[in-house]
Amino acid sequence: AQSVSQHNHHVILSEAASLELGCNYSYGGTVNLFWYVQYPGQHLQLLLKYFSGDPLVKGIKGFEAEFIKSKFSFNLRKPSVQWSDTAEYFCAVRDVGTGGFKTIFGAGTRLFVKA
Amino acid sequence: EAQVTQNPRYLITVTGKKLTVTCSQNMNHEYMSWYRQDPGLGLRQIYYSMNVEVTDKGDVPEGYKVSRKEKRNFPLILESPSPNQTSLYFCASSMTTGPLHFGNGTRLTVT
Repeated sequence: AQSVSQHNHHVILSEAASLELGCNYSYGGTVNLFWYVQYPGQHLQLLLKYFSGDPLVKGIKGFEAEFIKSKFSFNLRKPSVQWSDTAEYFCAVRDVGTGGFKTIFGAGTRLFVKA
Repeated sequence: EAQVTQNPRYLITVTGKKLTVTCSQNMNHEYMSWYRQDPGLGLRQIYYSMNVEVTDKGDVPEGYKVSRKEKRNFPLILESPSPNQTSLYFCASSMTTGPLHFGNGTRLTVT
């Protein structure tokens, strides 16, 4: 069965620190990859997505992610976090082989940024 | 404004009392899906629909029903709710090749 693993469940950083959140998936076919963010009390919003092409993807709010096919990874990065980045982050994988309809989420990483 | 609308936002009910959570999208998306979010488990897919009258089970469908009679609506039905269905529920929609757009969520408590 397909699965998505996020390496860290909780991360605490000080403002201006660099961020990297790990994401690995188990499916070997063609996939679309996503990172979503959920701010406290809100619904999930898209941060960035990868479908094809340049494996380094830039998203909103200074976030970027790198797709490494050989490692089945799609890690999220930000050079300098802000207090407003405090949120929960979800990696998601859509199996394009099943018609592009099944999207599986990781368990999420809670990020807390200290001011 | 493009959006996915869920109602109600909060619902407290008792075991066995049938309930429906509504979901509507105004983006003409083919694909709609229901997820439940539980601490430490992320989002788990309950049911999804690829188009009108086409639905399929996700990873945790037990105890839930759905219908897709119109393209814009995808209600989630709990025929006999139980306490283990206490959770935060999200409806989402997308074009077949696009990212998911989420509703604001429904926090359900079953006592």
